[in-house]
Amino acid sequence: DIQMTQSPSSLSASVGDRVTITCRASQSISSYLNWYQQKPGEAPKLLIYAASSLQSGVPSRFSGSGSGTDFTLTISSLQPEDFATYYCQHSYSTPRTFGQGTKVDIK
Amino acid sequence: QVQLQESGPGLVKPSETLSLTCTVSGGSITSYYWSWIRQPAGKGLEWIGRIYASGSTNYNPSLKSRVTMSVDTSKNQFSLNLTSVTAADTAVYYCAREAGASRYFDCWGQGTQVTVSS
Repeated sequence: DIQMTQSPSSLSASVGDRVTITCRASQSISSYLNWYQQKPGEAPKLLIYAASSLQSGVPSRFSGSGSGTDFTLTISSLQPEDFATYYCQHSYSTPRTFGQGTKVDIK
Repeated sequence: QVQLQESGPGLVKPSETLSLTCTVSGGSITSYYWSWIRQPAGKGLEWIGRIYASGSTNYNPSLKSRVTMSVDTSKNQFSLNLTSVTAADTAVYYCAREAGASRYFDCWGQGTQVTVSS
């Protein structure tokens, strides 16, 4: 199985901050990397697919980059509605696996 | 737009079988992979497996011996059976559609809580 490791596990930030979350795969996954946002009591929501493509309807302050084993999710200016947990997930092979999550909370 | 809705018992006894169904509305079940994903309280997401409209399946090796998935295209539904459950199977279970050339989960059900307890 391909292991996905996110860092940090949690972070505190203020509205307007630039936030960066990293995800590392245990082997090369090309660009088969997706990012999701999950708020308490809700299902995950797709933000970024194929490492850097913005899902329709997702604000442009979200961006993704990377290929191979190292990937980044960036929120350019954190908004109040962005406080949530973020997961990366690979789709290179089965089984699909997710990172352990990064919780973004208010500083 | 496509909507997914999980249904099934919220309480299952240890050693019994967990059975859930996901109903797809607003679109066809054909031409997509359909997955089950679970999340224990306060923990991360675990992919259980997926089924294609043709019935072809892929399961997580960690659960493969206990998992069976099926699809009913006439009802636009797919189902999960997980046998010999224990407390470790207590979680919110989500169904999700896997789409796109690069395969991503673009549509999710709201999730259903399943508790394993006597």
